[in-house]
Amino acid sequence: GQNIDQPTEMTATEGAIVQINCTYQTSGFNGLFWYQQHAGEAPTFLSYNVLDGLEEKGRFSSFLSRSKGYSYLLLKELQMKDSASYLCAVRDSNYQLIWGAGTKLIIKP
Amino acid sequence: ETGVTQTPRHLVMGMTNKKSLKCEQHLGHNAMYWYKQSAKKPLELMFVYSLEERVENNSVPSRFSPECPNSSHLFLHLHTLQPEDSALYLCASSQATSGADEQFFGPGTRLTVL
Repeated sequence: GQNIDQPTEMTATEGAIVQINCTYQTSGFNGLFWYQQHAGEAPTFLSYNVLDGLEEKGRFSSFLSRSKGYSYLLLKELQMKDSASYLCAVRDSNYQLIWGAGTKLIIKP
Repeated sequence: ETGVTQTPRHLVMGMTNKKSLKCEQHLGHNAMYWYKQSAKKPLELMFVYSLEERVENNSVPSRFSPECPNSSHLFLHLHTLQPEDSALYLCASSQATSGADEQFFGPGTRLTVL
């Protein structure tokens, strides 16, 4: 079967750095997405990786290793508004998106 | 209106009721999706439409019936639902169904089945 694993919940301190990991086992690979979802709101797109390496976008960076079936989302200079769930999703060989259950990130002052 | 809109935002219905969820996208996209989101579970893809034709149906019970009259509108018709169908139903759209095309989500309909 296809599977995406993420930690259920993480806690970090305002101003710090946090890394959210995602491992996947899918039938084929056609890209990996990270989305942010605040409580009661729609998921919003953060990043897309299809080649190995690091993609940086402001305070957020996303890394991919296809050989290891692994990605992480790195959030720097954490702000209280970063408290949200972070969803990892992989596009498989049929171009279907397989979603993880999300990581709830709690930011403390 | 911009982006993806959904109505109603909240819906409470009995198991014998019939109701419909509506989604509209104002982005000129060619693909639209229905997802079910339950607490602490991954997003479950229910239906995919591309250019108004259904291209994916992930073994969804027949009590859920989608309709895509044009590329901007998507409906989910509900009848004789079960309490376990209570969840957040999200609509999304994208330019295409492959590659790097990100999906844009609506705010969702919070459905409670009594």
